Amino acid sequence: GDSVTQMEGPVTLSEEAFLTINCTYTATGYPSLFWYVQYPGEGLQLLLKATKADDKGSNKGFEATYRKETTSFHLEKGSVQVSDSAVYFCALSDLPGGSYIPTFGRGTSLIVHP
Amino acid sequence: GAVVSQHPSWVICKSGTSVKIECRSLDFQATTMFWYRQFPKQSLMLMATSNEGSKATYEQGVEKDKFLINHASLTLSTLTVTSAHPEDSSFYICSARDGGDRLTRAYNEQFFGPGTRLTVL
Repeated sequence: GDSVTQMEGPVTLSEEAFLTINCTYTATGYPSLFWYVQYPGEGLQLLLKATKADDKGSNKGFEATYRKETTSFHLEKGSVQVSDSAVYFCALSDLPGGSYIPTFGRGTSLIVHP
Repeated sequence: GAVVSQHPSWVICKSGTSVKIECRSLDFQATTMFWYRQFPKQSLMLMATSNEGSKATYEQGVEKDKFLINHASLTLSTLTVTSAHPEDSSFYICSARDGGDRLTRAYNEQFFGPGTRLTVL
């Protein structure tokens, strides 16, 4: 079945450091890929998405490119801020038989120090 | 953008009581809503898929009689935790899929509610 694997956290960085959170997936079809962010005590917010191979999703300085050949969707940001501290979830959605079945990774906690 | 609300945002109840959590799509029709449970520092666990006008589809291991789901309209789904016990304490999150005019663009995207923190004493 479908699955998403994320690097384990927490990831601890200093402000303005470069961020990479790895995400790889396994899917039977041609999934759409997502990154969601969850701030403490809140629900999930969509950060960015990509719906087909080689698409690059971007938002708020974060980027991720849909790599079909490596089945990856790594999240990157060139210069993190303290306000980026949150848990980041990689996710995919597939449409086997026309139905939508969401699959999430375990989440990666990011802690950014001033 | 699409907004999903949840009510209440937090609730504390005594063991043995039932608690109802509402999930509403505010500016779109949600033919399908999802209920998740999240334990501290863990990922979301899909509990059930709620389809408007029909019975919910529960994931393996989730007790149907314990977690009652009703999706009576295109904008409202409710989760009732019956006879709650301390082990039911968790963060419950709902999400909704837009089944309206933006189908092609938003078909695979879920919109999440802010979550409900349930504490059972």
